[in-house]
Amino acid sequence: GQNIDQPTEMTATEGAIVQINCTYQTSGFNGLFWYQQHAGEAPTFLSYNVLDGLEEKGRFSSFLSRSKGYSYLLLKELQMKDSASYLCAGKDSNYQLIWGAGTKLIIKP
Amino acid sequence: GAVVSQHPSRVICKSGTSVKIECRSLDFQATTMFWYRQFPKQSLMLMATSNEGSKATYEQGVEKDKFLINHASLTLSTLTVTSAHPEDSSFYICSAKTGLAGGPEETQYFGPGTRLLVL
Repeated sequence: GQNIDQPTEMTATEGAIVQINCTYQTSGFNGLFWYQQHAGEAPTFLSYNVLDGLEEKGRFSSFLSRSKGYSYLLLKELQMKDSASYLCAGKDSNYQLIWGAGTKLIIKP
Repeated sequence: GAVVSQHPSRVICKSGTSVKIECRSLDFQATTMFWYRQFPKQSLMLMATSNEGSKATYEQGVEKDKFLINHASLTLSTLTVTSAHPEDSSFYICSAKTGLAGGPEETQYFGPGTRLLVL
């Protein structure tokens, strides 16, 4: 079956760095997405990886290893507004998104 | 970037009534839109995939006669919750795909969501 695994909750300190891991098992693979979702709001697109390696976008970076079925989202210089859920989603051979349950990130002062 | 709007943002209705939610892609054409439901503190649950000009594809367990989807144009999809009951109270979110059709570069952009409360 298809599955996306990510931690349920993480806590980090303002100004620090946090890495949110995601492992995936999909029927075929056509990319890995990360979305941010603040409480009570819809998800917003953060990043897309289809090739191995690190994609950097400001304070956020996303990494992919296709051979390991693994991705992570790296958040630097954490700010209080980064407190949100981070959703990992893999695109399968039918180009359908398989969603993880999300990682709730709590930022403490 | 791609913008998707949803209307209304919040609706309260009586049990037994029907509610229509609109999803619009504002600056791009979307041949495919998706409807999700999210209960508090839970993950997104895909309800159906809406293709312009054809019938929607519903996920297992989603009643197509209860959740009517119409995708009449490349920029508009509607979800109608018929005979709503309190258990239908949830956060309904639509998304639209942009990018090369069928290609891996496609990205889903989400509307702001509609919070439905059925009394």
